[in-house]
Amino acid sequence: DAKTTQPPSMDCAEGRAANLPCNHSTISGNEYVYWYRQIHSQGPQYIIHGLKNNETNEMASLIITEDRKSSTLILPHATLRDTAVYYCIVSLGTASKLTFGTGTRLQVTL
Amino acid sequence: EAGVTQFPSHSVIEKGQTVTLRCDPISGHDNLYWYRRVMGKEIKFLLHFVKESKQDESGMPNNRFLAERTGGTYSTLKVQPAELEDSGVYFCASSWNGDPYTEAFFGQGTRLTVV
Repeated sequence: DAKTTQPPSMDCAEGRAANLPCNHSTISGNEYVYWYRQIHSQGPQYIIHGLKNNETNEMASLIITEDRKSSTLILPHATLRDTAVYYCIVSLGTASKLTFGTGTRLQVTL
Repeated sequence: EAGVTQFPSHSVIEKGQTVTLRCDPISGHDNLYWYRRVMGKEIKFLLHFVKESKQDESGMPNNRFLAERTGGTYSTLKVQPAELEDSGVYFCASSWNGDPYTEAFFGQGTRLTVV
C-alpha cells in the first residue's frame, strides 16, 4: 500500500470548515483514497473514499488532485464532536488491509 | 441493524494466561479483519478472513496468536500465553464482499491488559 503523509495536528473553530490535507505521491492507478477517523477510544469510523473524482457525502467532501498525489478532506461545518484523529489511507479496497499511519489530530474549539 | 460487536470490552489477565477475544461481524459481511493498537503505536493490521478462510495473516505477530472463524460467522482471537507486550486495544472490522471498494465497519474494540 502507498504511504501517506499528514500533518500531526490541526485546530479548527467550531462552525468553520476543517480542511485536512494528505500527501500520497506513490499512489498507484487502482488504489483508492480512504478517510477514517477515531474519536477518543472508539473504533475507527469510515468517512469517505474516492478514486479520482471529488466525492461528497453527508459527513464530508473529498478533493483529489488531478495527478492523484494529494487529497483534502473537508468537514464543512466542524463541531466539537468532530474532534478526533483523522487517517488518510490508500487501499485497494476490501481485498487488502488498511494501513493506518499516525493521522492528523483535529481539535475543534469554541 | 447491529454493528460489529466485540467481547469482552475489557480484559485484564496475568502474564502467561490465555485470553480469547470474540468478534461478531455485521450479518452478511464475508470479510472480517483484526487490527490492534499497542501502547503509543499506530493501529496495525493482524489478519483478514474471507468467510472462514484466512486471506491474509501477514500481520500476526507470532504463533502465540491464533485466529479462527468457524462457519464464516463470528471470529475468535486467542492469545496463549499472553505477554506484557500484548497489551493494547484489539479491533475487529467487517465489510461486505459485494463491493470491492466499500468501507470497513469497526467494532468498539477490546482493551487487553496483561499484568
